[in-house]
Amino acid sequence: DAGVTQSPTHLIKTRGQHVTLRCSPISGHKSVSWYQQVLGQGPQFIFQYYEKEERGRGNFPDRFSARQFPNYSSELNVNALLLGDSALYLCASTPPGGAYDEQFFGPGTRLTVL
Amino acid sequence: AQKITQTQPGMFVQEKEAVTLDCTYDTSDPSYGLFWYKQPSSGEMIFLIYQGSYDQQNATEGRYSLNFQKARKSANLVISASQLGDSAMYFCAMSPRAGGTSYGKLTFGQGTILTVHP
Repeated sequence: DAGVTQSPTHLIKTRGQHVTLRCSPISGHKSVSWYQQVLGQGPQFIFQYYEKEERGRGNFPDRFSARQFPNYSSELNVNALLLGDSALYLCASTPPGGAYDEQFFGPGTRLTVL
Repeated sequence: AQKITQTQPGMFVQEKEAVTLDCTYDTSDPSYGLFWYKQPSSGEMIFLIYQGSYDQQNATEGRYSLNFQKARKSANLVISASQLGDSAMYFCAMSPRAGGTSYGKLTFGQGTILTVHP
């Protein structure tokens, strides 16, 4: 079975630009979460979506937005990029009805803002 | 709010020896789950082990065991018989519920870099 996939793998943008990151969860998983991992730190929770509805949002500005599609894939959008947005963006999906909320992570998208 | 603290920025261990990575947590949630993830230099987060707040026994998964002390709010990871491939960053994390549907909001610590020497 395919794991969580993310695209693109790497991305270079300049300040003020907009970026869209994409995530496809494991087949059958209906929950997707997004995390930002700045170099040298632990991942920080950005969003979670379940059945196409936002179920949680972390402490991030409104420049960050996301959505989930009917096929449960997801997009993370960041507007007006800042240098501080440079990070590894991780997507994770969670299986329904599991004994616990294990999250399966994708390989991440490494965003560099110049 | 939940908080995870990992006080060891880096740890060193000899191959084949055991090592303990520390994790303390703080939460007001009555039930929660505790996780450990491994992150190699490639960046992928690899799930290692899980402990529910109401689990009576400490979790074990192969060479990994979780030393859960609820009263002290600690969830230390023990890796036995260390291997060179264990060299990586290790993260402790927690979710607001032990089971059911918290829908995947994890709070992570700062991580511990483990280096295994031959």
